[in-house]
Amino acid sequence: DADVTQTPRNRITKTGKRIMLECSQTKGHDRMYWYRQDPGLGLRLIYYSFDVKDINKGEISDGYSVSRQAQAKFSLSLESAIPNQTALYFCATSDSQSQGAKNIQYFGAGTRLSVL
Amino acid sequence: QKEVEQDPGPLSVPEGAIVSLNCTYSNSAFQYFMWYRQYSRKGPELLMYTYSSGNKEDGRFTAQVDKSSKYISLFIRDSQPSDSATYLCAMHGSARQLTFGSGTQLTVLP
Repeated sequence: DADVTQTPRNRITKTGKRIMLECSQTKGHDRMYWYRQDPGLGLRLIYYSFDVKDINKGEISDGYSVSRQAQAKFSLSLESAIPNQTALYFCATSDSQSQGAKNIQYFGAGTRLSVL
Repeated sequence: QKEVEQDPGPLSVPEGAIVSLNCTYSNSAFQYFMWYRQYSRKGPELLMYTYSSGNKEDGRFTAQVDKSSKYISLFIRDSQPSDSATYLCAMHGSARQLTFGSGTQLTVLP
């Protein structure tokens, strides 16, 4: 979805390196999310942010940190990458104003990360 | 035990077949149910959304929710090769955090 842009699309790094994945959106949504996807495990929530001043841990936040630089930008950092962080990472957005109790999320195209 | 269970497949059907995809869940607080479709090397995109129990139809797609059995289904009629993708069920309650199934990989053969 071109409205949610993730960079880079692919990244290979080495164990111990710091890496940042970036997400920007033009949908005007207030909520943003980071997920990782592994075969057989589906999508698991890493962190989420309901607005610029609100950051929350998800199911699997250990080893990750995030920064919400603006309403449209949400970055994910791996402070010291390890091989089991090799996965497909997705950013998603949702709009609390228009959706009410729903939580329909819109995803970026993903970042494929390999940690050697 | 996972909160949401989904048969990973892979599922392979001939073009024109009716496809049935299913998820079971354990959390009775879930009220909102979704199906996402994910093409290879793409992000998931919302396909169907339903609230509580019942059926919802959109073209060739029908989503069905049975809260008493904690079971949801997605039916695809007259399946096409372009339907080949991974289908993810997702659901949430009042807490609004989505819980996803692991996805079912579907291939529709021409």
